[in-house]
Amino acid sequence: DVVLTQTPSTLSATIGQSVSISCRSSQSLLDSAGNTYLYWYLQRPGQSPQLLIYLVSNLGSGVPNRFSGSGSGTDFTLKISGVEAEDLGVYYCMQATHAPYTFGAGTKLELK
Amino acid sequence: QVTLKESGPGILQPSQTLSLTCSFSGFSLSTYGMCVGWIRQSSGKGLEWLANIWWNDDKYYNPSLKNRLTISKDTSNNQAFLKITNMDTADTATYYCARWDYWYFDFWGPGTMVTVSS
Repeated sequence: DVVLTQTPSTLSATIGQSVSISCRSSQSLLDSAGNTYLYWYLQRPGQSPQLLIYLVSNLGSGVPNRFSGSGSGTDFTLKISGVEAEDLGVYYCMQATHAPYTFGAGTKLELK
Repeated sequence: QVTLKESGPGILQPSQTLSLTCSFSGFSLSTYGMCVGWIRQSSGKGLEWLANIWWNDDKYYNPSLKNRLTISKDTSNNQAFLKITNMDTADTATYYCARWDYWYFDFWGPGTMVTVSS
């Protein structure tokens, strides 16, 4: 199975600060058709995960543009440009290029 | 408006079979490219994808659960189902169903907690 390693595991930020989360894959996530099935989800306390970014860098519906995704191959990054209070929770990367789909262990974003 | 909601027994004993239902609205599982997946979340293993069922009835399972999983659907009634046999305490988790809209899981249900205990 593809292992996704997220760093850091915990991130402390102040409101307005910009932060980045890394997701490294044990295998390239580029498929033979040229697609990279790498996603970012946010799980707020007591809620189910919500889609933020799909296919590395595409913003999900209704997601604020302070969120952005980048990367290729095995290295991916989620950036939040100006953290807001509603952004607190656990961020997960997920890959669907290789079966079975797998998730990272999560990065908890908390207020400093 | 797309919604999904999981339902299950809440608690069951080791070796029993878990039956879960995902009731959804706002889309059809007969639409090209549509899929419903099951994902679980436990404190021990984080998020774990279990199975997908596609609009054309293709089914994919996580090999780690070997032959314990069966996914099915009732398109007419907008429901998807997951059965897991031989449940163990390690299967205690919150179980989610989610819609896969061609490219991604975009809508998730609120989840149903399942506890396996004797």
